[in-house]
Amino acid sequence: KAGVTQTPRYLIKTRGQQVTLSCSPISGHRSVSWYQQTPGQGLQFLFEYFSETQRNKGNFPGRFSGRQFSNSRSEMNVSTLELGDSALYLCASSAGQSSGNTIYFGEGSWLTVV
Amino acid sequence: AQKVTQAQTEISVVEKEDVTLDCVYETRDTTYYLFWYKQPPSGELVFLIRRNSFDEQNEISGRYSWNFQKSTSSFNFTITASQVVDSAVYFCALWGTYKYIFGTGTRLKVLA
Repeated sequence: KAGVTQTPRYLIKTRGQQVTLSCSPISGHRSVSWYQQTPGQGLQFLFEYFSETQRNKGNFPGRFSGRQFSNSRSEMNVSTLELGDSALYLCASSAGQSSGNTIYFGEGSWLTVV
Repeated sequence: AQKVTQAQTEISVVEKEDVTLDCVYETRDTTYYLFWYKQPPSGELVFLIRRNSFDEQNEISGRYSWNFQKSTSSFNFTITASQVVDSAVYFCALWGTYKYIFGTGTRLKVLA
């Protein structure tokens, strides 16, 4: 059974640009959540989607957005990139809506903003 | 407020030593879940264990064991006879009130 797949794995963007990251959950999983990981802030929750609806959102500015498609695949977008957005962005999926279910992570997308 | 504390930032041990990673949590929920994940250099967080708040039985899986104590709000993780392949960052996490809270992680270095 394939795990969570994230693309691209590595990317470099210039400040002010925007970026879109993609996540394909484990087959049959309908919940997808996104996390930002930085050395200074650790793992921080961005948002969670279940059946194409955003169910929960972390404390990030509106520049961070996401969506989920009918096949459960998800994308997150960061507009007007700032240097501080450089991070590992992790996607996780679970079988049901967030309720203590185990979430399984992808390998992440390493974003560098220069 | 919910919180997960992993006070040990980095631990170094010599191969075959036993090592315990500490995790202390705070929550007011009566129903909650605790997790441990391993993050190797590749970046992916690998799921290790999930425990619900009503199950305080200790768990053993091969060289790994977990000690859950509600009285001290702790969920500690022990690796017996550590190996170089155990080198990674380990995260403890809590699910409560509709979201997961992660600790800051403990970097474990196992030296040959």
